[in-house]
Amino acid sequence: GAVVSQHPSRVICKSGTSVKIECRSLDFQATTMFWYRQFPKQSLMLMATSNEGSKATYEQGVEKDKFLINHASLTLSTLTVTSAHPEDSSFYICSARGQGGGGNQPQHFGDGTRLSIL
Amino acid sequence: GEDVEQSLFLSVREGDSSVINCTYTDSSSTYLYWYKQEPGAGLQLLTYIFSNMDMKQDQRLTVLLNKKDKHLSLRIADTQTGDSAIYFCAESIRAAGNKLTFGGGTRVLVKP
Repeated sequence: GAVVSQHPSRVICKSGTSVKIECRSLDFQATTMFWYRQFPKQSLMLMATSNEGSKATYEQGVEKDKFLINHASLTLSTLTVTSAHPEDSSFYICSARGQGGGGNQPQHFGDGTRLSIL
Repeated sequence: GEDVEQSLFLSVREGDSSVINCTYTDSSSTYLYWYKQEPGAGLQLLTYIFSNMDMKQDQRLTVLLNKKDKHLSLRIADTQTGDSAIYFCAESIRAAGNKLTFGGGTRVLVKP
């Protein structure tokens, strides 16, 4: 149980393109989903917290107009990197947290999306 | 403030036990987690422990928590080559909305 699916797994595109990444919880409902960015050989950096039906909460230094997050249902959140540039190239990982437990359910992670902007 | 630290690298022989250590600074953490990341993949939840527990065992994995010293460890018994990966510890803090704060990760290399 607790499977999170993330698509696509790899994207290569030209500078200026917008890229959408999907994160789905397959066998549980996730009131909260998280988007992280990971640089090579580094830990995960939280970008934003996404709650179903409300606006995402962005971490300090993360441009909300650059990284658009939509959490339209209890099983789907999307991250759109708008007008991507080479400095946006990175490994993006989502996670989903199930309902209940007073917010103490563990986060389950997708397999990540490798984004390369040429 | 929140700060989670881990050693960078651990080398171990196949069949031996591995012990990965983690220290954290925030005493109000509610849960502490261990995740495994293989190359090019996301994070796999291995185990987690509530902050009022001292120990949790799950098959080959044993988690020890010393709350006084703010020290968390993960012991992997009978380490296999498939255990080679990066291991992240993380803490969640209720006051921070239960967001996770990750350590920098420990790269474990299992030698045959």
